[in-house]
Amino acid sequence: SQQGEEDPQALSIQEGENATMNCSYKTSINNLQWYRQNSGRGLVHLILIRSNEREKHSGRLRVTLDTSKKSSSLLITASRAADTASYFCATGRGSNYKLTFGKGTLLTVNP
Amino acid sequence: GAVVSQHPSWVICKSGTSVKIECRSLDFQATTMFWYRQFPKQSLMLMATSNEGSKATYEQGVEKDKFLINHASLTLSTLTVTSAHPEDSSFYICSARQESNYGYTFGSGTRLTVV
Repeated sequence: SQQGEEDPQALSIQEGENATMNCSYKTSINNLQWYRQNSGRGLVHLILIRSNEREKHSGRLRVTLDTSKKSSSLLITASRAADTASYFCATGRGSNYKLTFGKGTLLTVNP
Repeated sequence: GAVVSQHPSWVICKSGTSVKIECRSLDFQATTMFWYRQFPKQSLMLMATSNEGSKATYEQGVEKDKFLINHASLTLSTLTVTSAHPEDSSFYICSARQESNYGYTFGSGTRLTVV
C-alpha cells in the first residue's frame, strides 16, 4: 500500500520562483528518497536522505526530514521550465529494500 | 552512472496474447529488481520483487500466474503478462537496486496497450 502522501497534488509556478513539495509517511523508515518523472518516462533519482539526517542539499534541491512529524519537504530553488515534471517521495524500510511511493506532485513551471 | 535498460518502450497486443518486458542492468549487477505498475496520473504500485536465482515475491493482490517474473541472471529480469486483457493496459516500470549503496535505478518504462 502507498504510505507516502505528497502535497500539493499539483503546483503551478513561474520560472525563477521556488517550489516546495511536502511528503508525509506513516511508519518508521530507513531513508526517504525523492524522484522525478517526466510524462510517460521512467523515474530519475534526485536525492536520498537517511533517517538520521535532517537536511540535505544537491544543487538547486534542498530536502528536509522530520522523523518526529514523519514528513519531508523538497525545495527546488530558482525553478526552470525544464523542472516541469511529477515528483514523488519514496520511503524505504526494513531489510527487503522495497520502496513505497507517495502519490506525487505534478509541478508545472511556466516560462 | 548506473543504467537500467527496459524494452520495449511501448507495445500493443491483442487480448489473449502474452507480452514479455525485459529489464537489464547495463553496468552493475542487480540481485534484486522490482516491477511496478503505474496508471495515468497515479503513483507507482509495486507488483513484485524479483530476486536472482529464486522465485519472485509478489505483493498482495497481484496474480503471480498472470504476471510471470524471471530473474535468471544478475543483470536481467523479465516480466511476462500472460493472456493479456484490456485492463492490463498500463505503464510498467522496473528498477534495480545496487548493492554498493542505497541507490535504485529505474528503467524508462513500457507502455502496454491491450486491444
